[in-house]
Amino acid sequence: AQSVTQLDSQVPVFEEAPVELRCNYSSSVSVYLFWYVQYPNQGLQLLLKYLSGSTLVKGINGFEAEFNKSQTSFHLRKPSVHISDTAEYFCAVSDRGGGSNYKLTFGKGTLLTVNP
Amino acid sequence: KAGVTQTPRYLIKTRGQQVTLSCSPISGHRSVSWYQQTPGQGLQFLFEYFSETQRNKGNFPGRFSGRQFSNSRSEMNVSTLELGDSALYLCASSTGDRGFHEKLFFGSGTQLSVL
Repeated sequence: AQSVTQLDSQVPVFEEAPVELRCNYSSSVSVYLFWYVQYPNQGLQLLLKYLSGSTLVKGINGFEAEFNKSQTSFHLRKPSVHISDTAEYFCAVSDRGGGSNYKLTFGKGTLLTVNP
Repeated sequence: KAGVTQTPRYLIKTRGQQVTLSCSPISGHRSVSWYQQTPGQGLQFLFEYFSETQRNKGNFPGRFSGRQFSNSRSEMNVSTLELGDSALYLCASSTGDRGFHEKLFFGSGTQLSVL
């Protein structure tokens, strides 16, 4: 079974500061990795995903994430945040395995609050 | 292109009642997944439908059921509501045939409150 742990439930930062949101996963099989963002009163939007290849993945809105297989981590980073980045961020994994398995296992989310 | 549409946006029910939620996917998408979001448990997978067939199911009791119609619209039904069913129910659509890494498009959700 897969599981996803987001180590911080809340992360407050000041505008223009860098931020890192941490995500660790466990799985007995190879996985695909995702970060989704949820703005207030909205559904989730895909920020970025890791499928294969380069371990550094760039996404929308200046976010990037690095896949570290040995540490089973997929931390999300942004060098300089804006007020508009205030949202909840979810890390998720999906099995690479065979069979039809359109199922994402999500972490419990990290609420990023950017203060002026 | 219209996004994923979920109706209604808000619902208030009492214990023991049943409820039906609706999801219209993006045009051309044949896969619809449902998730339950609560503050304590986060996002949990309910089930996924593809071409009118349930293709995958999460660990929820049989009170939670769904179906998909030939136009790919999906409904989710919860019978004998319990207080713990209060949650935001999200649906997501995708083409469903491009592999497990496919991007999901989420609706804004239906907020269900059980009193």
